[in-house]
This record gives sequence, structure tokens and C-alpha cells, in this order.
Amino acid sequence: EAQVTQNPRYLITVTGKKLTVTCSQNMNHEYMSWYRQDPGLGLRQIYYSMNVEVTDKGDVPEGYKVSRKEKRNFPLILESPSPNQTSLYFCASSLASPQETQYFGPGTRLLVL
Amino acid sequence: GQQLNQSPQSMFIQEGEDVSMNCTSSSIFNTWLWYKQDPGEGPVLLIALYKAGELTSNGRLTAQFGITRKDSFLNISASIPSDVGIYFCAGLSYGNQFYFGTGTSLTVIP
Repeated sequence: EAQVTQNPRYLITVTGKKLTVTCSQNMNHEYMSWYRQDPGLGLRQIYYSMNVEVTDKGDVPEGYKVSRKEKRNFPLILESPSPNQTSLYFCASSLASPQETQYFGPGTRLLVL
Repeated sequence: GQQLNQSPQSMFIQEGEDVSMNCTSSSIFNTWLWYKQDPGEGPVLLIALYKAGELTSNGRLTAQFGITRKDSFLNISASIPSDVGIYFCAGLSYGNQFYFGTGTSLTVIP
């Protein structure tokens, strides 16, 4: 089944403890992206990747890192999480360009204490 | 960052009524998209618009890419209970960044 998977789905952590949220797609998509969703603010793009080893900042990249070493995986890294990074995170992918249909993962709910 | 103004924020309508929502931006966009999100799920693409002035339909949904490239609207005709959810507009900038509206929460009363 074609899908975007994220792990973990739920995470509670403490300030300053490094964490990684994984994202994987099995559709051979080139474009991948991370978003955070907060009440009243909609989705905001954190980082995106047009292809392997090519990543760019989105609207709210501060406090996050990403890597794209293989086409299928696009992990989101929080080196030193803070409470204002408590949010619902979505990974998405599309075939070749951001103009094409983006398929979203199920979301990861993160709470930073 | 870029702000997309989406309105209305919420709507309560009777089943069978038509719905209209819109998005405006202070910047021009390359592409406008409309998504629907159900509780606990990721957004799902409804309609994508690629050219200024373009009018596109998908079943009971119709959306238009504004001629100024700074706005878009979505209409839903003859609403049904399964239309309930949150609708988001999104714009793709020429720099390949996505910006989303704040969402329109739709409730359909049977």
C-alpha cells in the first residue's frame, strides 16, 4: 500500500533531550516536506527537500534540522526541544515537484515539558 | 512569515446548502490548493489550481485561482454530512515554499 509513515505517533519528552521523528514513503517520491500544525495557525512548513541531499528551509525552520540521505526517508531532528515546539507534526511527499499532489502522513503529536 | 487569510473561520449549515470559503494573500502564488482534514488525519488534497483565472471542479467542489494570483475560493454545492471537516487553502510560492490558511471548520446539520 502506497503510504507515508511517521514514527513515533505520540511522544512526550523533556526540554533539551534530543529527539528524531522519522518519516518514510514507499512511493519513490522526490519531494518531501515537514509541517507543524498548531491551533488557530493552520499548517506551517518547517523544511522541505526536492531530492536526495537537497534540503531547504520553510517558513519556520528555527530549532529543527533535517537530512535526506536516501530518497524514501526524511527525518526531522530536534536537537534541543523546547516547550514551544509542542505541536502536531506532519510529513508529506509528492512525486517530483511540490505542485503535484502531496500525500500526508498520519501525524506525530509531540509534547515537550 | 507569509500569512494567508482564510474566511470564514467556521460555518454551520443545513444539509443541502451550498458553501463558499476563500483565501487571500499579500503575495502572489504559483499554485493554489485546497485540502480537507478530518479529525486525527493528515490533510487530503481536494483541488489544485495552476493558472491565474483557472476554474476547476471536482464533483460537487469548484475552486478558482484568482486573476491577481493573490486569492482563491472554494465552493461546495449541495452539502452532505460527510463534508464535515476542516478545509485549508494553501499557496505554493515561486520559491517552492508552502503556506497554509488557518482553516475553515465546516459543520453540516442533517
